[in-house]
Amino acid sequence: QTVVTQEPSFSVSPGGTVTLTCGLSSGSVSTSYSPSWYQQTPGQAPRTLIYNTNTRSSGVPDRFSGSILGNKAALTITGAQADDESDYYCVLFMGSGILFGGGTKLTVL
Amino acid sequence: QLQLQESGPGLVKPSETLSVTCTVSGDSVSTTEYYWGWIRQPPGKGLEWIGNIYSSGSTYYNSSLKSRVSMSVDTSRNQFSLKLSSVTAADTAVYYCARLDPLWFGELEGGYFDYWGQGTLVTVSS
Repeated sequence: QTVVTQEPSFSVSPGGTVTLTCGLSSGSVSTSYSPSWYQQTPGQAPRTLIYNTNTRSSGVPDRFSGSILGNKAALTITGAQADDESDYYCVLFMGSGILFGGGTKLTVL
Repeated sequence: QLQLQESGPGLVKPSETLSVTCTVSGDSVSTTEYYWGWIRQPPGKGLEWIGNIYSSGSTYYNSSLKSRVSMSVDTSRNQFSLKLSSVTAADTAVYYCARLDPLWFGELEGGYFDYWGQGTLVTVSS
């Protein structure tokens, strides 16, 4: 069974740049998987950040960007801020259904 | 502005059926432009896709839950619903409803969840 892989945790300094990735346990992620990214803080519903690989959702700051890096989808935060400290989830469309990654807990310190 | 609001029982006994409803305002569940879906999150864990439903009644379920899941749309109340049968403690989770924008993709081949409800916690316990 295919699993969507994400780094369990990551740390970035305020003002720094961090790239979170979204891969597959078997195979490569491409734009055809329609990768999207969601941010979630404790007790809140997820917030849509990026869809269709690299399109920012309405109101999302341009310090968030999406791409394909090698064989993975990637979310890059440039100039991280304290309120970027959240869980980040990627989603892929697998043809047979929709898969969420396990999420990355991002710490800003 | 689209708003989604889940409502559920809060507590369900093991082996019974969990039922959760999502009330939509600002759009019609009869729309042919979007899909409606359910995602859940066990306490302290990640998000899991449960399934989606289209206005035509077409449904798409997570294969791991397919035998226990059913979804429906109630156009008169502008709601859509989830039923999960034979629940166990492993089904304890916050249940989110969401709208899925398929963009230009075909049948659930792509898109993204553009609006989410706030979620409702359903606990399975005797």
